[in-house]
Amino acid sequence: AQSVAQPEDQVNVAEGNPLTVKCTYSVSGNPYLFWYVQYPNRGLQFLLKYITGDNLVKGSYGFEAEFNKSQTSFHLKKPSALVSDSALYFCALTYGGYNKLIFGAGTRLAVHP
Amino acid sequence: GAGVSQSPSNKVTEKGKDVELRCDPISGHTALYWYRQSLGQGLEFLIYFQGNSAPDKSGLPSDRFSAERTGGSVSTLTIQRTQQEDSAVYLCASSGRGLAGKGFGPGTRLTVL
Repeated sequence: AQSVAQPEDQVNVAEGNPLTVKCTYSVSGNPYLFWYVQYPNRGLQFLLKYITGDNLVKGSYGFEAEFNKSQTSFHLKKPSALVSDSALYFCALTYGGYNKLIFGAGTRLAVHP
Repeated sequence: GAGVSQSPSNKVTEKGKDVELRCDPISGHTALYWYRQSLGQGLEFLIYFQGNSAPDKSGLPSDRFSAERTGGSVSTLTIQRTQQEDSAVYLCASSGRGLAGKGFGPGTRLTVL
């Protein structure tokens, strides 16, 4: 069955340090992978996606993610964290011609000054 | 341009009452999705509309839940005889053709007392 795992409930980072939010997936066939961010009392915002091509995908707000097929991972990264990056981050998957997004449980990112 | 809008933003109801949640998708988007986010949980798929095709209802948790999409635009999610476990944030998303990031609405927070 298709699934997305975000192994960390929360990630704590000091401002200015690099951050990584982990995501692994399970799918039969080629995955299409997404990251979304949810700020407090706000809707989900699209950050970036991997469909095909270059494994390193750049997105909004300085975030990037690397697709690693052998490790079935799509970790979200940023070289230098900001306090304003503190939010709930969701990794999501779809596949084939199937448009239903399958979400991970979410990881809360806390960036401390 | 205008994003996905949802109404009401908050709904408090008594157990056993029926509720209707509304979603106005981005103009021209053919696909519309409903998801549910329970407190501290990830996003749970409920239902998916694509153009004039029969909707994918595979995520609806019980027959108390139903949704319709009139004229290929506005959608209403109806929950009959609400239960306390229905309390959650109900999110709507829409997308055009292809795998662009889906635009999510701000959600309706439903509280069943």
